[in-house]
Amino acid sequence: GAVVSQHPSWVICKSGTSVKIECRSLDFQATTMFWYRQFPKQSLMLMATSNEGSKATYEQGVEKDKFLINHASLTLSTLTVTSAHPEDSSFYICSASWEGSDTEAFFGQGTRLTVV
Amino acid sequence: SQKIEQNSEALNIQEGKTATLTCNYTNYSPAYLQWYRQDPGRGPVFLLLIRENEKEKRKERLKVTFDTTLKQSLFHITASQPADSATYLCALLVGGATNKLIFGTGTLLAVQP
Repeated sequence: GAVVSQHPSWVICKSGTSVKIECRSLDFQATTMFWYRQFPKQSLMLMATSNEGSKATYEQGVEKDKFLINHASLTLSTLTVTSAHPEDSSFYICSASWEGSDTEAFFGQGTRLTVV
Repeated sequence: SQKIEQNSEALNIQEGKTATLTCNYTNYSPAYLQWYRQDPGRGPVFLLLIRENEKEKRKERLKVTFDTTLKQSLFHITASQPADSATYLCALLVGGATNKLIFGTGTLLAVQP
């Protein structure tokens, strides 16, 4: 199956700083990438959908100025959590698909963000 | 409101038995439904997909059914093993400008040896 790599796998940052998470499709061109957030013992909540070369589409209730998403190439999307606060601590997961794909989604291994 | 609910937060069964997990949804018209497995601290891994015009799908010890009238999917693991212990998530593909996957609440399955 297709491989999606997410980096870093975990990060600890101080409150008020920004953190960037990368999501790469290693063996296919990802026209669309999705960013999810998962709190402990809860399901994945879709944050935003990003299409290569265009602005991301955010789900209701997700602050686009706080969670900056860039999808500048067909193999890389980044999520930057700006001015992070402890309540942003969560597990962030990306997934990727290619144009015309209507089957399984390929997920990264996730990034555990802890804001102290 | 739109919801995807899985029958229970946790399910405990004995090794060798069949585990049955339920996924119910409201106010969605999905093109298809998927089931994923998630281990702690990891991203979800795809297991099975079933389309709206399909009633049943099988893959090795896994079986999925899909009833669009009841708006329900059942996920079965036969001859369960301790290695099957994980969280299982159902997900719906919903359309719009971009197709996107919306996940259910998840069920933590524990298979006791």
